[in-house]
Amino acid sequence: GAGVSQSPSNKVTEKGKDVELRCDPISGHTALYWYRQSLGQGLEFLIYFQGNSAPDKSGLPSDRFSAERTGGSVSTLTIQRTQQEDSAVYLCASSPGPNSPLHFGNGTRLTVT
Amino acid sequence: EDQVTQSPEALRLQEGESSSLNCSYTVSGLRGLFWYRQDPGKGPEFLFTLYSAGEEKEKERLKATLTKKESFLHITAPKPEDSATYLCAVQAAENAGNMLTFGGGTRLMVKP
Repeated sequence: GAGVSQSPSNKVTEKGKDVELRCDPISGHTALYWYRQSLGQGLEFLIYFQGNSAPDKSGLPSDRFSAERTGGSVSTLTIQRTQQEDSAVYLCASSPGPNSPLHFGNGTRLTVT
Repeated sequence: EDQVTQSPEALRLQEGESSSLNCSYTVSGLRGLFWYRQDPGKGPEFLFTLYSAGEEKEKERLKATLTKKESFLHITAPKPEDSATYLCAVQAAENAGNMLTFGGGTRLMVKP
């Protein structure tokens, strides 16, 4: 079956521009997660959705980062006024429920020049 | 705060040379410990979940074990196609959102 789909796969943007990253989770998965993976770093948790609500936004690095989820499905991560330190791979994952593993997409590689 | 430390950071093996990867963790009540494999340019791919000390799971040349403080991923007679980064993650029982805390990974290179 279809896995988690992320778009675009690569994004190059100029410092100061806004970017939107999209995630299509596996159909029927109620939980959705965004992680960030920087070069040489581990995966850093950003935000978690259960349905359309985000009970835990504790990982968002600054108020330039926001995310939404609509229809219990697609999610968008928005980064405003991008900075060079935002360059990383942004990974989305979904899960059917508690005690279930997270299933990851292949990520969006963001480069801020 | 939940913490996960993986060692070694990198491991070079000859094809057929068995070894183990270590994942040490501290968590306020473990709900589950997860192993993932990540290939370059790809997202992590789920391998195993372990829930309690003493539990073991196997898949082909891989076997994961769990104690109260650490987990091991044993690789028996590895092949070049086993080359990847292996990630360990924990899920805390108090964590209503089920999010995972990841270690830094072990980059495994298997030479023919």
